[in-house]
Amino acid sequence: DAGITQSPRHKVTETGTPVTLRCHQTENHRYMYWYRQDPGHGLRLIHYSYGVKDTDKGEVSDGYSVSRSKTEDFLLTLESATSSQTSVYFCAIRTGTDAGLTDTQYFGPGTRLTVL
Amino acid sequence: SQQGEEDPQALSIQEGENATMNCSYKTSINNLQWYRQNSGRGLVHLILIRSNEREKHSGRLRVTLDTSKKSSSLLITASRAADTASYFCATVPRPGNQGGKLIFGQGTELSVKP
Repeated sequence: DAGITQSPRHKVTETGTPVTLRCHQTENHRYMYWYRQDPGHGLRLIHYSYGVKDTDKGEVSDGYSVSRSKTEDFLLTLESATSSQTSVYFCAIRTGTDAGLTDTQYFGPGTRLTVL
Repeated sequence: SQQGEEDPQALSIQEGENATMNCSYKTSINNLQWYRQNSGRGLVHLILIRSNEREKHSGRLRVTLDTSKKSSSLLITASRAADTASYFCATVPRPGNQGGKLIFGQGTELSVKP
């Protein structure tokens, strides 16, 4: 599992409340990613980070923000949760050093978020 | 938009049979990867094939890549009930992919019956 943990593993919240999900890694990888998984859509990238305080948007970033103040932690915040953000959220780290030729991503166990 | 399209969406076979899943993609790639996801769990990396490779093996897995057709296939030989899972292909597109982002297909749901 490449030393990746996610917390919480399950969360139920109400529309309009802020929610923060945490991803923690123990192996000092530079790149970290947040995806969401929904039926019929597979996994879609929300945001990613390429170092401390260095982040960029993915395919479905609206309504989400991220922060990375330490190498080991990557936080995903839903500023004002909506029902459309009900999903399973996965964090991933990337290994490899040859500019993408053999980079592999390893995933955390996921967080199931329900927004009522 | 999704890069990968997978076919079939669902596949049901008997234990011992071979399972073949196909993936098509749209842009040039650095590599293509296959992942497995058991129900309610995270994704597990199975195998990576580089854009300059045509075939790769890992245990009972065989992956082929045809960059001219922008397609890949995953073959699981002598399937077992434990192979029941969803299988996803994911590509690392190039150029302009500084973040090494993966683009996933929607997956094939494999059911292996004992």
